[in-house]
Amino acid sequence: DQQVKQNSPSLSVQEGRISILNCDYTNSMFDYFLWYKKYPAEGPTFLISISSIKDKNEDGRFTVFLNKSAKHLSLHIVPSQPGDSAVYFCAASAGGGSEKLVFGKGTKLTVNP
Amino acid sequence: EPEVTQTPSHQVTQMGQEVILRCVPISNHLYFYWYRQILGQKVEFLVSFYNNEISEKSEIFDDQFSVERPDGSNFTLKIRSTKLEDSAMYFCASKQLWSSTDTQYFGPGTRLTVL
Repeated sequence: DQQVKQNSPSLSVQEGRISILNCDYTNSMFDYFLWYKKYPAEGPTFLISISSIKDKNEDGRFTVFLNKSAKHLSLHIVPSQPGDSAVYFCAASAGGGSEKLVFGKGTKLTVNP
Repeated sequence: EPEVTQTPSHQVTQMGQEVILRCVPISNHLYFYWYRQILGQKVEFLVSFYNNEISEKSEIFDDQFSVERPDGSNFTLKIRSTKLEDSAMYFCASKQLWSSTDTQYFGPGTRLTVL
């Protein structure tokens, strides 16, 4: 089941630079997309979301972009901070009575001081 | 800030034993979920629960699994006869509204180890 794909298992950036995490999906029924951040031994923490009727959503240093035609979304973190180092999961839900989240495998972000 | 809590943080059990994983969802939330993550794999949906009924379940959630809301605050996942392959992190989540665009908030997880 590869409905949500995060093709980069890891990403390393310098503090202060931009981090761009990518996510692709195959199910055209997905209408809501979320990014979660996860530290070791903790649960996923909600970061930011976007509905399929939008193409961009910003919250402070975090911006999510959605390209529906390409079935692609990305999370931009600017500026990146060492505390952002974590595993980032992309997740999607299809609505229509189904509430389950379908997750990608995650991308481990390391922000170097 | 309200949060989902889970107990225990780590459960070790022998194969064939029953385990109950406990969750306290956020207090004004009405929709409850269990997910699991086997080491090195994706977070996978198990079951959703609303109004004392299962609303959706995955293929993983077979007859060995059950969920219950025994009182106004707890939400439990029971595995009747554990198998080695049940070893995983189990996450509880909750959300307030029915809308699929409402956010699910996750607990810290219970690490289940089946020996």
